[in-house]
Amino acid sequence: EPEVTQTPSHQVTQMGQEVILRCVPISNHLYFYWYRQILGQKVEFLVSFYNNEISEKSEIFDDQFSVERPDGSNFTLKIRSTKLEDSAMYFCASSVDRRSNEQYFGPGTRLTVT
Amino acid sequence: DAKTTQPPSMDCAEGRAANLPCNHSTISGNEYVYWYRQIHSQGPQYIIHGLKNNETNEMASLIITEDRKSSTLILPHATLRDTAVYYCIVDLNNDMRFGAGTRLTVKP
Repeated sequence: EPEVTQTPSHQVTQMGQEVILRCVPISNHLYFYWYRQILGQKVEFLVSFYNNEISEKSEIFDDQFSVERPDGSNFTLKIRSTKLEDSAMYFCASSVDRRSNEQYFGPGTRLTVT
Repeated sequence: DAKTTQPPSMDCAEGRAANLPCNHSTISGNEYVYWYRQIHSQGPQYIIHGLKNNETNEMASLIITEDRKSSTLILPHATLRDTAVYYCIVDLNNDMRFGAGTRLTVKP
């Protein structure tokens, strides 16, 4: 069964550093998403992406965040200058279509900012 | 700002049906009802979704009331592996806003 993969599984970085989280969505999917989950809290929507453009973003997704699909397979989330409060599990997801379609989530990248 | 209300926790005996309720009284006509679950710290897993009609797949059944203001997810024969947090989400464009969900504990 096809699956979404994410690398690395765990990333430790110092405050102020840039990090790039990588995701490989399912190959025939066209819509891509990033979510985050701070330990013990709910899953929060960050951004959706389609046709090389952001479709929608939440209030969390400020200028420190950016997304990119640099090639035909990878989908990345960049945090330019990490803060302690960026420590969380980051989940990538993809779907075939936008409406009425299930999203497939990856296993997540645990980001720890020290 | 989740549009749904779910009980924070429920228990279910192994082998019995688990019925998880969800209220979404402000749902609009084009919004779908989605159910996902999250086992421990894994990525959320899609279960089922529907618009107006009841739906069934290999994992569960979704019963939506006629006025669409509430729904119930049914796991027909719960197993210990179904212990998870279950999220009911109402959305138009698939940008999922998760609430706190219901923590279902299946007990032997």
